[in-house]
Amino acid sequence: GAGVSQSPSNKVTEKGKDVELRCDPISGHTALYWYRQSLGQGLEFLIYFQGNSAPDKSGLPSDRFSAERTGGSVSTLTIQRTQQEDSAVYLCASSFYYGGQGSDQPQHFGDGTRLSIL
Amino acid sequence: GENVEQHPSTLSVQEGDSAVIKCTYSDSASNYFPWYKQELGKRPQLIIDIRSNVGEKKDQRIAVTLNKTAKHFSLHITETQPEDSAVYFCAAFLRFGAGTRLTVKP
Repeated sequence: GAGVSQSPSNKVTEKGKDVELRCDPISGHTALYWYRQSLGQGLEFLIYFQGNSAPDKSGLPSDRFSAERTGGSVSTLTIQRTQQEDSAVYLCASSFYYGGQGSDQPQHFGDGTRLSIL
Repeated sequence: GENVEQHPSTLSVQEGDSAVIKCTYSDSASNYFPWYKQELGKRPQLIIDIRSNVGEKKDQRIAVTLNKTAKHFSLHITETQPEDSAVYFCAAFLRFGAGTRLTVKP
């Protein structure tokens, strides 16, 4: 079966522009996560969606960052007025959810979108 | 929210030796503790996980131990091989440790 798919794989844009990153989770996975990974660094949690519940946005670094998930499947991460410090690999992951504490199932990651802000 | 600390940040071992990576977490409600391996330029992949109702889990050369009272868990790799070289991340709830770069010297 298909894994988590992210697009584009690479994005280069000018400072101040808006960007949209897309994530297609594994079919049947109701939980979806966005992380940011700067070069040589760890995974920084951004946002978590679980079914129809309100998303956990506690990791979003500023109000320039937002995400939505339509129909419980595809998700889009939007960064407005991009800054050079936004340059990183943005990783999406998905998992099953069985009603326990959030994120208590193995996460399956996509290959990420490498975002470069000039 | 949850806070996860991971040590050491880098670890170099000789092939055949054991490697141990340790993580601590802050939220006592956390009940699921996975470990991911990330090779250079690749996506993180789950290698082993443990739930709060057990203290140890083993899968061939890899084992994870959990001490809920002390809020720490560890990854143990025995008989290390060069292909074990990668960055390893622990996680609790939605937070990941900073990663450990493991190098296995042949």
